[in-house]
Amino acid sequence: EPEVTQTPSHQVTQMGQEVILRCVPISNHLYFYWYRQILGQKVEFLVSFYNNEISEKSEIFDDQFSVERPDGSNFTLKIRSTKLEDSAMYFCASGVPGTGSKSSYEQYFGPGTRLTVT
Amino acid sequence: RKEVEQDPGPFNVPEGATVAFNCTYSNSASQSFFWYRQDCRKEPKLLMSVYSSGNEDGRFTAQLNRASQYISLLIRDSKLSDSATYLCVVRSNDYKLSFGAGTTVTVRA
Repeated sequence: EPEVTQTPSHQVTQMGQEVILRCVPISNHLYFYWYRQILGQKVEFLVSFYNNEISEKSEIFDDQFSVERPDGSNFTLKIRSTKLEDSAMYFCASGVPGTGSKSSYEQYFGPGTRLTVT
Repeated sequence: RKEVEQDPGPFNVPEGATVAFNCTYSNSASQSFFWYRQDCRKEPKLLMSVYSSGNEDGRFTAQLNRASQYISLLIRDSKLSDSATYLCVVRSNDYKLSFGAGTTVTVRA
């Protein structure tokens, strides 16, 4: 069964450093997402991406964040200057939204990258 | 008001028991509804989509009440492997998902 993969599984970085989190979505999916989950809190939406551009973003997704699909398979999240409060689990998800199908809005999540900012 | 609210539990039940819990959502324009399960420090995994007519998947039954804006999940014949946090998830507009904080279920032998 196809699945979303993410690398690395754990990233430790110092405050102010840039990090890039990588994801390989399911191959026939068209929409890609990043979510985050701070330890002990709920999963929060960051950004959705379709047709090589951001389709929606949350208030969390400020100028420090950017996303890119550099080739036909990878989807990346970059945090330019990390802060302590960016420490969280970052989940990539993908889906195939469409019309006329009950399952067309389901999203499938990767195993996550645990980001620790020190 | 939170977009999605859930009773955090925990629900501690013996194997074989039935456990049910629900969640409420605030946006009446919400369009899609899901239950995900999340094991400790793992990714959310889709358990089932929830349809207006209600639906069942094996031991799991989901109901949607649009008028009252709540969604329920019932687990029959609980197994030890059902121990997890169950996330109520709603899609309101475009494609972003809004998550509840989760209901913790622990099934004991």
